[in-house]
Amino acid sequence: AQSVTQLGSHVSVSEGALVLLRCNYSSSVPPYLFWYVQYPNQGLQLLLKYTTGATLVKGINGFEAEFKKSETSFHLTKPSAHMSDAAEYFCAVSEGTSGTYKYIFGTGTRLKVLA
Amino acid sequence: EPEVTQTPSHQVTQMGQEVILRCVPISNHLYFYWYRQILGQKVEFLVSFYNNEISEKSEIFDDQFSVERPDGSNFTLKIRSTKLEDSAMYFCASRQGDTTNEKLFFGSGTQLSVL
Repeated sequence: AQSVTQLGSHVSVSEGALVLLRCNYSSSVPPYLFWYVQYPNQGLQLLLKYTTGATLVKGINGFEAEFKKSETSFHLTKPSAHMSDAAEYFCAVSEGTSGTYKYIFGTGTRLKVLA
Repeated sequence: EPEVTQTPSHQVTQMGQEVILRCVPISNHLYFYWYRQILGQKVEFLVSFYNNEISEKSEIFDDQFSVERPDGSNFTLKIRSTKLEDSAMYFCASRQGDTTNEKLFFGSGTQLSVL
């Protein structure tokens, strides 16, 4: 079965600093990987996804993630943090067969941006 | 962008009581899901629903849980006799089609507190 590990339940960065949120996965098949963000009192929104092809994936709000098969990682980065990036971020892998696809989520990382 | 809507946003109930959590998925979507997140833990898959029947359920989804799509627009999760450990944020999600790399649209969640 597939699984996702997010290192660091809380990450703090200064405004303008690099954001790095870590995600490692385990999968017996080529994975489809996702990053979702949850702002306070809102649902989960898709930031970006990796399916096939280019391993560096760009998402919304300046975020990107790189799929590294050798490291089984899919870390999320943003060169310069903004106060509005404060939220909870979830990494997920999809699994299943036709009709039963579901996501397996990590435990989430809460990002705090310091002024 | 279309939205999945969930009501209520907060629900407080006494242990042993029945609760119904309501969701309105996006109108042309065919696959529906319930996930939950206990505070500080992973977002966990509960159940998937397609073509008016459950397509997969997790170990969490025992006989106390049921889902229904009563009228072609609402998608409900019922907990028959709530326990303290059912306290969690419950997310409804939907997707249009049937591929692993497809985006799930999530609602903003219902925070269930069982006292």
